Amino acid sequence: QVQLVQSGAEVKKPGASVKVSCKASGYTFTNYGITWVRQAPGQGLEWMGWISGYDGNTNYAQKLQGRVTMTTDTSTSTAYMELSSLRSDDTAVYYCARGGSQLLYWADYWGQGTLVTVSS
Amino acid sequence: DIQMTQSPSTLSASVGDRVTITCRASQSIASWLAWYQQKPGKAPNLLIYDASSLQSGVPSRFSGSGSGTEFTLTISSLQPDDFATYYCQHYNKPFGQGTKVEIK
Repeated sequence: QVQLVQSGAEVKKPGASVKVSCKASGYTFTNYGITWVRQAPGQGLEWMGWISGYDGNTNYAQKLQGRVTMTTDTSTSTAYMELSSLRSDDTAVYYCARGGSQLLYWADYWGQGTLVTVSS
Repeated sequence: DIQMTQSPSTLSASVGDRVTITCRASQSIASWLAWYQQKPGKAPNLLIYDASSLQSGVPSRFSGSGSGTEFTLTISSLQPDDFATYYCQHYNKPFGQGTKVEIK
């Protein structure tokens, strides 16, 4: 069965970076992409970006350009999302989800979420 | 950038009601739209993709329609498990702001 297992909760200080991992199993990693979505406390869903599991091609939300980096390690079927220059409004639950091999595709399986808290 | 606007923001309904949620795109997105259900503290769950295709395992009381700029999600007979927040999304683009379905 398809599973996405994310790394554990993080607490970071403003200005620091965080790297969240998402380990996939139950499917051929390189046939799909990974989408990253976050949700601030009490708020809606915010799309952060997408990375191809095949060739590492990325597409980031304009708002996060320059601060977000998405990568994959196909040898371990793991995707990573790194967010730098953290601010208090980056406090959120971060989700990875299986997307398509191309950008225009839906997200059908989701990770359990990783809480990132930014606080001095 | 394409913007997605959902209405209403909150909807109060009773078990057995027919419920419709609307999502409008700021420009045509063909049928590249998904609907998700989210319950508190849980990850979103895919309900509908390609505007009207039911994801495997999702009850048939859920249906989607529309193309271009206007889309709807319909729950034919609201069940207790359906009280949740629903989001539309143009694939790998911003989500709608969400519609919370509450018990009337």
